[in-house]
Amino acid sequence: GAGVSQSPSNKVTEKGKDVELRCDPISGHTALYWYRQSLGQGLEFLIYFQGNSAPDKSGLPSDRFSAERTGGSVSTLTIQRTQQEDSAVYLCASSLAQAGEGETQYFGPGTRLLVL
Amino acid sequence: GQNIDQPTEMTATEGAIVQINCTYQTSGFNGLFWYQQHAGEAPTFLSYNVLDGLEEKGRFSSFLSRSKGYSYLLLKELQMKDSASYLCAAWMYSSYKLIFGSGTRLLVRP
Repeated sequence: GAGVSQSPSNKVTEKGKDVELRCDPISGHTALYWYRQSLGQGLEFLIYFQGNSAPDKSGLPSDRFSAERTGGSVSTLTIQRTQQEDSAVYLCASSLAQAGEGETQYFGPGTRLLVL
Repeated sequence: GQNIDQPTEMTATEGAIVQINCTYQTSGFNGLFWYQQHAGEAPTFLSYNVLDGLEEKGRFSSFLSRSKGYSYLLLKELQMKDSASYLCAAWMYSSYKLIFGSGTRLLVRP
């Protein structure tokens, strides 16, 4: 079975442009998470989906960031008017149920975003 | 608060034992995860502790003390391939967030 996949694997964009990052979770996983990891740093929680709904959006850094999930499967993270400080690796993870129930989160390979 | 603290770097010798500590100051805490992350790769799950005590999985063991807000990951019989970052993460049941520490970079030397 396939793991979590993300696309693109690398993205270079110019400051001010919009970017869209995609995550395909493991089939049947109801929970989906987005994280951001800057160079040499830990993971910063961005948003969590249970099915198509996002109970907690407080981790999104600004209103330039938005995310959606349709059909309980694929999720997209959109960053509008990108800034240089948005440069990071964006990681997606999915789990069979909520992590608090002891479910392992399986991570995708990440999208490396560089804003010039 | 939601601080997760762990050492930035550690060095150990092949074949030895190393203990990576993690302290957390969180309310609404439900459980603690450890992940391994090799450079340029995604994190991979190592362990999840929700009850006090030690859980052993082969060369890796993880310990949790809820009353002390303390956990450690114990790696035995170190191998060169164990050189990686080890991430401690606390699950916040009240907000469904997994709060990660900055990670501990472990270097295993021959």
